[in-house]
Amino acid sequence: GAGVSQTPSNKVTEKGKYVELRCDPISGHTALYWYRQSLGQGPEFLIYFQGTGAADDSGLPNDRFFAVRPEGSVSTLKIQRTERGDSAMYLCASSLLAGGVTDTQYFGPGTRLTVL
Amino acid sequence: GEDVEQSLFLSVREGDSSVINCTYTDSSSTYLYWYKQEPGAGLQLLTYIFSNMDMKQDQRLTVLLNKKDKHLSLRIADTQTGDSAIYFCADSSNQGGKLIFGQGTELSVKP
Repeated sequence: GAGVSQTPSNKVTEKGKYVELRCDPISGHTALYWYRQSLGQGPEFLIYFQGTGAADDSGLPNDRFFAVRPEGSVSTLKIQRTERGDSAMYLCASSLLAGGVTDTQYFGPGTRLTVL
Repeated sequence: GEDVEQSLFLSVREGDSSVINCTYTDSSSTYLYWYKQEPGAGLQLLTYIFSNMDMKQDQRLTVLLNKKDKHLSLRIADTQTGDSAIYFCADSSNQGGKLIFGQGTELSVKP
């Protein structure tokens, strides 16, 4: 079946603007994860959802970042008042469940965000 | 907090074996993963190993886990130019679903 999809693939915005990044998980996967990857680094965890609720948002860097998953499927990562330091690749992953072998995470292609 | 470390670069000749190493700090890790990332692409799951295993083999890939030393390695047999990519080791933290990634090892395969 289809993998994880993310839109847009690229987003260029100006400092101070608001952006939304969308993730469509694999059908039937209840857990959804957001990571941020800066150039030359490994992905860093931001937040994960089990169903509709955020089970762990400890990786969100500050209150400008927010994510929702209202129906337990598609998720949107929202960034307010963007800063140049927010420029990165934002990766989404999904897994059947969270925990155990069923938490094997499958990643989407990412959204590259550039803040000018 | 948990940490995962990898060497940054590895260069091998086509046909040789590649060994990519990783160390981690979380003693309660349950699963450890290897992902591959090609330029401009997302992460592709290569393989994973459960923490009560020492070794797992999957075609050209062999994963070795030394739980005492918290050392994980990925061996790629008969390395091909198509294997050139960045390889990430990841630890499933003891706090639920999140993965802790190393900084990645860039594998360069020369013909």
